[in-house]
Amino acid sequence: QQQVKQSPQSLIVQKGGISIINCAYENTAFDYFPWYQQFPGKGPALLIAIRPDVSEKKEGRFTISFNKSAKQFSLHIMDSQPGDSATYFCAASRRSGSARQLTFGSGTQLTVLP
Amino acid sequence: NAGVTQTPKFQVLKTGQSMTLQCAQDMNHNSMYWYRQDPGMGLRLIYYSASEGTTDKGEVPNGYNVSRLNKREFSLRLESAAPSQTSVYFCASKAGGSYNEQFFGPGTRLTVL
Repeated sequence: QQQVKQSPQSLIVQKGGISIINCAYENTAFDYFPWYQQFPGKGPALLIAIRPDVSEKKEGRFTISFNKSAKQFSLHIMDSQPGDSATYFCAASRRSGSARQLTFGSGTQLTVLP
Repeated sequence: NAGVTQTPKFQVLKTGQSMTLQCAQDMNHNSMYWYRQDPGMGLRLIYYSASEGTTDKGEVPNGYNVSRLNKREFSLRLESAAPSQTSVYFCASKAGGSYNEQFFGPGTRLTVL
């Protein structure tokens, strides 16, 4: 079963536009929500993350909005640039024994047109 | 610092062959992870190791085994490869603490014919 649902699967925006990617989760044991960015041929890299005790976190052009009651969170990329073209994964983290596990969404392929 | 390194980068196997994917990290991290990435399915956890000497199953462990050789190295073994194991495999590591980042290696692209 997919515990973290991500949409859309692909997204095309014009340079300067706003990119929005949405995720929803079911397991209330998740307590940390990172977003990863992946370029072709590379491993994922952490972009930004949020804890559920805040509703929004902003780092430069990237913002996470979090709705705990709805169990939803989203990534907003303001003033999207061609260099932002990549695959974005939302994830949810929970404790599992003495470690922490990440559950990933299915990914969104973002293309920013020049 | 090299971060997380993986070998090989590419591998082609025939059905039934075995192989070991190697992973090493130089960040003194306690936890290490193996994921597989398939189109449209994100990354799925195969096995993880919370610390040296311990390993646990993730979401999709069938057909795989792991060894945490020491704090630096965590290997993934396919004993009898199947076409369903064609995928890109990523190793990751993480420092102790609840909210620390997982750092990913560059991946191994495996094709099983």
